[in-house]
Amino acid sequence: AQSVTQLDSQVPVFEEAPVELRCNYSSSVSVYLFWYVQYPNQGLQLLLKYLSGSTLVKGINGFEAEFNKSQTSFHLRKPSVHISDTAEYFCAVSENTGGFKTIFGAGTRLFVKA
Amino acid sequence: SQTIHQWPATLVQPVGSPLSLECTVEGTSNPNLYWYRQAAGRGLQLLFYSVGIGQISSEVPQNLSASRPQDRQFILSSKKLLLSDSGFYLCAWRTGSPGEKLFFGSGTQLSVL
Repeated sequence: AQSVTQLDSQVPVFEEAPVELRCNYSSSVSVYLFWYVQYPNQGLQLLLKYLSGSTLVKGINGFEAEFNKSQTSFHLRKPSVHISDTAEYFCAVSENTGGFKTIFGAGTRLFVKA
Repeated sequence: SQTIHQWPATLVQPVGSPLSLECTVEGTSNPNLYWYRQAAGRGLQLLFYSVGIGQISSEVPQNLSASRPQDRQFILSSKKLLLSDSGFYLCAWRTGSPGEKLFFGSGTQLSVL
């Protein structure tokens, strides 16, 4: 069965600084990987996803993530954050062998300070 | 376009009372349907999923059950609520491909007192 570990529960960062939110997964088969974002008082929306091909994927709002199969990681990065990036970020995994489940990590709360 | 409806938005129930949360999807057919519970520090915990009418898979043994009486209707139930059932419940759907994104409802905040 697949599992997801988000290594940081909270990440405070100053505006315009770079940020990395870490995600590691575990699965016995190939997977699809996702990052979702939940802004305050809003629903979850997809930030980006990795299905196959290039290991560097770009998403909305200047975010990108890199799939590293050997390290079973899918870390999310942004070179310069804005106050509006304050939100909770969830890493998720689906097995691509016809499985139906999407499993989420515990979430990382990104807090951008002025 | 597809939409997902989830109600009620908030619910306060006494311990031992029954529960019924409903979710419906419009604009698509044969969706995969999901119930998640979101708790602070625990992310989204998958409770149930369904790939078709009457087909329910349970992920976490608990005081809850789910049913799918119609193609686009997913119901979360309990006969007797516990304090530990309090939380934010999210319904979601996606197409059959595991590479597609999930579409989430607006959620139900359940408080069991």
